[in-house]
Amino acid sequence: DAGVIQSPRHEVTEMGQEVTLRCKPISGHNSLFWYRQTMMRGLELLIYFNNNVPIDDSGMPEDRFSAKMPNASFSTLKIQPSEPRDSAVYFCASIKGQMNTEAFFGQGTRLTVV
Amino acid sequence: AQSVTQPDIHITVSEGASLELRCNYSYGATPYLFWYVQSPGQGLQLLLKYFSGDTLVQGIKGFEAEFKRSQSSFNLRKPSVHWSDAAEYFCAVGARGSASKIIFGSGTRLSIRP
Repeated sequence: DAGVIQSPRHEVTEMGQEVTLRCKPISGHNSLFWYRQTMMRGLELLIYFNNNVPIDDSGMPEDRFSAKMPNASFSTLKIQPSEPRDSAVYFCASIKGQMNTEAFFGQGTRLTVV
Repeated sequence: AQSVTQPDIHITVSEGASLELRCNYSYGATPYLFWYVQSPGQGLQLLLKYFSGDTLVQGIKGFEAEFKRSQSSFNLRKPSVHWSDAAEYFCAVGARGSASKIIFGSGTRLSIRP
């Protein structure tokens, strides 16, 4: 398996633009997590899905952020409109099974909003 | 809700010296516990995990960690560090039960002195 795949690896956009980050979890994994990493706040859990259903989105910072998981093999995190303070590395991770086991992380998307 | 604290932001040790990174967690029952390592520009890789049983767990790259329930701790150790161990280390805690989430500590950056 190729692991968790995130795209793009790097994104530079202007303030006010819409940004869509993509994640393909490992096949057979049924839980998916979106994290944001910054120097100031470390790794923050934004939202996670179980069997494509959002379970907890309490970490989503504002209404400008939204996430979807239309099927077991794809998820998106959208920021609209983007702001400079959204600049961070966004990680997607997936887990197999109902219990907490090893979370496999993607390489991350480095987002820069100018 | 679970939480995890890594009290050391940055640690520097000499190559060949022993290492201990601290991690304390808060959770009402026995949690799942993890240590992940992140190299610059990379995603997170699992070093080791504790679910149950033997409280001393062995991981990859010569790392080990000990779960101490009485101290709510899960400290990471290595008897002799190598220059390649320089990275960011994250402790994480997961709640038991289905569809639960994994929360990460703020991380400890490890530097190696030649």
